Amino acid sequence: DGGITQSPKYLFRKEGQNVTLSCEQNLNHDAMYWYRQDPGQGLRLIYYSQIVNDFQKGDIAEGYSVSREKKESFPLTVTSAQKNPTAFYLCATKKGQANSPLHFGNGTRLTVT
Amino acid sequence: DQQVKQNSPSLSVQEGRISILNCDYTNSMFDYFLWYKKYPAEGPTFLISISSIKDKNEDGRFTVFLNKSAKHLSLHIVPSQPGDSAVYFCAAADLLVEGNLIFGKGTKLSVKP
Repeated sequence: DGGITQSPKYLFRKEGQNVTLSCEQNLNHDAMYWYRQDPGQGLRLIYYSQIVNDFQKGDIAEGYSVSREKKESFPLTVTSAQKNPTAFYLCATKKGQANSPLHFGNGTRLTVT
Repeated sequence: DQQVKQNSPSLSVQEGRISILNCDYTNSMFDYFLWYKKYPAEGPTFLISISSIKDKNEDGRFTVFLNKSAKHLSLHIVPSQPGDSAVYFCAAADLLVEGNLIFGKGTKLSVKP
């Protein structure tokens, strides 16, 4: 989706290092979400934010942190506490109206060795 | 426990024929369902959705059918094209987290020329 930019596309880190994944949107959507996808699995919710300066844990928040200082930006930090950080990370946004779809960025593939 | 299930990991179809992708769910309170298409190393793209007040929604070559009594939905693609080859995810709107989607594990569709 052209309105959601995730960078970088590929990221490599050594075990024990924190790493921050960027997500920027120009869709003027209030809500933003971070998902993780593992091979053969569906997407699982890590964190979400319905409004600036507020965010909530999703199903698999342990070992991750986020911030939402601006409407356009929702960075995700993968900390050294995350046991299995290697995965494909997807950022999504949503319009405020009910029953509208999530819009996804193109993802960041994180590999930790 | 998986709330949204796609029991077929893969499906192979001849070009020009119909592709039928299936999805089952466990929570009878779900009221909004979506299908997404995903290419490798890219974010999911929204295809089509259906509200529980309907049993069918059509958009070009894509039709989604909802059978509430069976807690089953299906995506029909007619006619199938090689460019339709991708992983298809079924999702239901989360009743607890506004905007969140609960995803199935996906079905990989291969359309052969």
